[in-house]
Amino acid sequence: EIVLTQSPATLSLSPGERATLSCRASQSVSTDLAWYQQKPGQAPRLLIYDASNRATGIPARFSGSGSGTDFTLTISSLEPEDFAVYYCQQRSNWLITFGQGTRLEIK
Amino acid sequence: QVQLQQWGAGLLKPSETLSLTCAVYGGSFSGYYWSWIRQPPGKGLEWIGEINHSGGVNYSPSLKSRVAISEDTSKSQFSLKLDSVTAADTAVYYCARGAYNKIQDWGQGTLVTVSS
Repeated sequence: EIVLTQSPATLSLSPGERATLSCRASQSVSTDLAWYQQKPGQAPRLLIYDASNRATGIPARFSGSGSGTDFTLTISSLEPEDFAVYYCQQRSNWLITFGQGTRLEIK
Repeated sequence: QVQLQQWGAGLLKPSETLSLTCAVYGGSFSGYYWSWIRQPPGKGLEWIGEINHSGGVNYSPSLKSRVAISEDTSKSQFSLKLDSVTAADTAVYYCARGAYNKIQDWGQGTLVTVSS
């Protein structure tokens, strides 16, 4: 089973700042990595798939990069609605796993 | 725009069977991966398993002995059964639609509480 480790656990920033979230896989997942945003009381929303492709309707300030074992989600300039929890996810053969999440909070 | 609407019992006693169903509206049922994912209160996401476009099923190793996912393509529905629940199974359960390596659409979630 591939383990995804996200860092930091909590990130405190102000609106307008740049956010950089990390996801590290215990073994290579090529570019089969997705990112999700979850707000309280809501289902997660797909942001990025195949490591760097934005999902439909996702603003351009969200970008993803990486391959193999190291991945990054970048939010170029934080908007108030971006403060939420972010998860990475991978599929290896038949098994899907999620990272433990990074909480992005207002400083 | 596809919508996933899920339902099932929200309160169970230990040792009972959790049963949830998810109906798909406004989109094709074929060609996708249909997953169940859960989230204990205040915790992260855990994938339970899926049924794919070929009718094949895959389960999380940690739940494999207790879980069954099935589909009724005539009704565009798929279902989750989890046997012998305990308090550790208390969570919000989501149904979801996706492709091989991404989950694109989610149900509204159902809180299932296991308590005696």
